[in-house]
Amino acid sequence: DVKVTQSSRYLVKRTGEKVFLECVQDMDHENMFWYRQDPGLGLRLIYFSYDVKMKEKGDIPEGYSVSREKKERFSLILESASTNQTSMYLCASTPLSAGGHTQYFGPGTRLTVL
Amino acid sequence: QQPVQSPQAVILREGEDAVINCSSSKALYSVHWYRQKHGEAPVFLMILLKGGEQKGHEKISASFNEKKQQSSLYLTASQLSYSGTYFCGTGGGGSNYKLTFGKGTLLTVNP
Repeated sequence: DVKVTQSSRYLVKRTGEKVFLECVQDMDHENMFWYRQDPGLGLRLIYFSYDVKMKEKGDIPEGYSVSREKKERFSLILESASTNQTSMYLCASTPLSAGGHTQYFGPGTRLTVL
Repeated sequence: QQPVQSPQAVILREGEDAVINCSSSKALYSVHWYRQKHGEAPVFLMILLKGGEQKGHEKISASFNEKKQQSSLYLTASQLSYSGTYFCGTGGGGSNYKLTFGKGTLLTVNP
């Protein structure tokens, strides 16, 4: 079974702090994604990576950066956390394959910024 | 641009049927359906590809109308375990691995 793990289920930070969210997948998937999920807005893509050290902006990258130094690990960084970044953050991975790219999700990190 | 899902919410009694629609303003290569139970990660249900046939998964099936750029998810004889939020994710095809998700449809199945 594919396993995607995230470093924390719940996280509370203060405004202005630097926040790291870690995601690890164990299936050698090339592509990894970070989403945020807010009530009524669904899943919105922040950043994704299709290879080590490669990244592309998603639909809402402002205020975030990412790092992918190893294939299995994809980190989301909030350089200076703000209250409007309080949300559920979901990581996903998918293999490089033709015809459809099923995404496997981690359990999520609920981040609260005070 | 996010695909549009309808309805936003639906309440059923066990054994009833439901249809959830997903439409896009952009040409679609693939449509993915996921279900998320409260407090859990989204779980993949099925994928429909351009030029592909209707897919099924137990009593849940889906169709993909490429011309109309829309997909429908059919839940027949619903069970309590079907409750959750259903998301469609649309893909642009080629080397674009991104999915754009709709806002979700909350399905509640009552006894």
